[in-house]
Amino acid sequence: GEEVAQTPKHLVRGEGQKAKLYCAPIKGHSYVFWYQQVLKNEFKFLISFQNENVFDETGMPKERFSAKCLPNSPCSLEIQATKLEDSAVYFCASSQSTGRAFFGQGTRLTVV
Amino acid sequence: GQQVMQIPQYQHVQEGEDFTTYCNSSTTLSNIQWYKQRPGGHPVFLIQLVKSGEVKKQKRLTFQFGEAKKNSSLHITATQTTDVGTYFCAGGGIGGSGGGADGLTFGKGTHLIIQP
Repeated sequence: GEEVAQTPKHLVRGEGQKAKLYCAPIKGHSYVFWYQQVLKNEFKFLISFQNENVFDETGMPKERFSAKCLPNSPCSLEIQATKLEDSAVYFCASSQSTGRAFFGQGTRLTVV
Repeated sequence: GQQVMQIPQYQHVQEGEDFTTYCNSSTTLSNIQWYKQRPGGHPVFLIQLVKSGEVKKQKRLTFQFGEAKKNSSLHITATQTTDVGTYFCAGGGIGGSGGGADGLTFGKGTHLIIQP
């Protein structure tokens, strides 16, 4: 399809629970990115993939966050043992090359 | 670490007035992109600038990339209510190889508020 599809749109988790977010990039796009947008609108880069390979994960809090992009499956971002500070909107984006990134609608994660 | 600074944080204008937002990077950028995000929405790509000193126009929007590829601006002429939203600049190739999988470093955005 011609849009990045993210599910679910909203996710509520109790502190300490696991959260899993999904992203279907645009078909044919080789690059996938995850960003976290917190309430002050600041975007934080988390991780990027080139095809199914992790390219840059310098933004990921690795002790609790993990991400995958496996062939023939949606990409996923998983947070183990969520904390209140993980509450944010998580955006997935995909691109073909060194240019325009197409963003999904985002998943709003609320940790209570 | 590398940063992209964006000012102002908020800009109130009367409808019909002009609007400008500025971005400045601590390091040379391979490219800069501009996005618009409406409240509750997702970032929507506006443009990408790659060349030193580049100027691009889209109707009432004018985008500039500095000669040193460290700063950029977005200027909107004669704002309309449909221009409301947050405008983000995003630097590409900061600390990376300049390849397609380098993440963008976003500025904090400028909220454009238009009073009719």
